[in-house]
Order: sequence, then C-alpha cells, then structure tokens
Amino acid sequence: AQTVTQSQPEMSVQEAETVTLSCTYDTSESDYYLFWYKQPPSRQMILVIRQEAYKQQNATENRFSVNFQKAAKSFSLKISDSQLGDAAMYFCAYRGYTGTASKLTFGTGTRLQVTL
Amino acid sequence: NAGVTQTPKFRVLKTGQSMTLLCAQDMNHEYMYWYRQDPGMGLRLIHYSVGEGTTAKGEVPDGYNVSRLKKQNFLLGLESAAPSQTSVYFCASSYSPGGPPDTQYFGPGTRLTVL
Repeated sequence: AQTVTQSQPEMSVQEAETVTLSCTYDTSESDYYLFWYKQPPSRQMILVIRQEAYKQQNATENRFSVNFQKAAKSFSLKISDSQLGDAAMYFCAYRGYTGTASKLTFGTGTRLQVTL
Repeated sequence: NAGVTQTPKFRVLKTGQSMTLLCAQDMNHEYMYWYRQDPGMGLRLIHYSVGEGTTAKGEVPDGYNVSRLKKQNFLLGLESAAPSQTSVYFCASSYSPGGPPDTQYFGPGTRLTVL
C-alpha cells in the first residue's frame, strides 16, 4: 500500500518570504500523480498544484512550485512571496496511475503560519 | 456551477441514532468519494463509486453504507452512530469523460458530533 509522510506538523514563515513544505511517499508504481491541497480555516479543500510522475519538469502555479525528486520519492512544495492568505493546513496526496477511481492517499498535513 | 455540495454542514447525533449525509455534484463526474478527517490523521477514504449504481469500500468502511442511485448524488449513511464516528466528512468527485481523471474536487465538509 502507498503511504504519504509529511514530517513537519507546523511551519512558520514571514510575509513575503519563501517557505518549503516537505512530503515523501512510498510506492512500487512507476506512474502516478502527486498533489498539494490547501485547507484554510473554512475547511474547504483547495487544489494547489499537481504533478504527473512521468513529467520531469516540476509543476508551477504562480507563487507555488514543487521540487519533484522521483528517485528519492520526494515532493516538496515551495511557496514564494508568502501572503497572509497562505496560512492554512497543507496536505500532500498520492494517486496511483493504474486502477480505477482516482483514489487518493493523504499525508497528515502541515499547518503553515504566516506572520507579519 | 455549484461544484460539490454537502448537506448538512453540521449535525449532532446521540449514540445509536441514524442519519444520511447527501453529496451532490453538477460537473457530470463519474467518480465520487466519501472521506473522513480526524485530527492528526489527514483524510481517509470511507467508500467510493465509479458510476451510477456502483459502490466500493475504501480504507475505513465499517459502520457506514453508501448509495449512488443517481450519477450526481452520493449518499453516506450511518445506521447506528457511535462516538468514534465523530469527525469531519468530505465528499469529492472526479473524472468527466474526456477530461483529466486524476483531480478530485471537494465539498465544504460536514462536521458530525456523536454524543
């Protein structure tokens, strides 16, 4: 079974600075998808960024980018120019390529605080 | 588009009571899911459905039942609620034919407390 590990329960960053959230995963599959979801206090789960394992290029969405290291099974999220609105729980998630139903396996989350 | 909606948003039950949570999506998605979120444990899959009339067990299915009578709706039932089922429940959906199969879209969640 696949597992997703987020080893940082909490992180803090100053406004306008850069922060990196870590995620590692364990799988025997060669093709898969990885995701970062943001959960603000409203509880809504919001997709931040997705990465296909077969793509060597790291995904980028505005201020959010990932460092995908397939051999090391590492998938970190970098938030540049942090804003107060980035404060939230961040979940890393894995989805295998084979099989049906796009089942996701989530990590336990990292709570990000943004300070002035 | 409303996306994924969940009814109700909050509910308090007594042990042994039953209830049904309703999830609805207007994106013509084939797949739907129910997760529960507990402190320090991320989201765990309860049941899922790959199409109208089909359901399957996820990681933590015990104590729950589901039905997918219509493509746009996915119901989660608790027949006899237990305090261990106190949690936040999320519904999600994914996959429109011809679209990317991998991205799940979530509802706003239902906070359930079982006394």
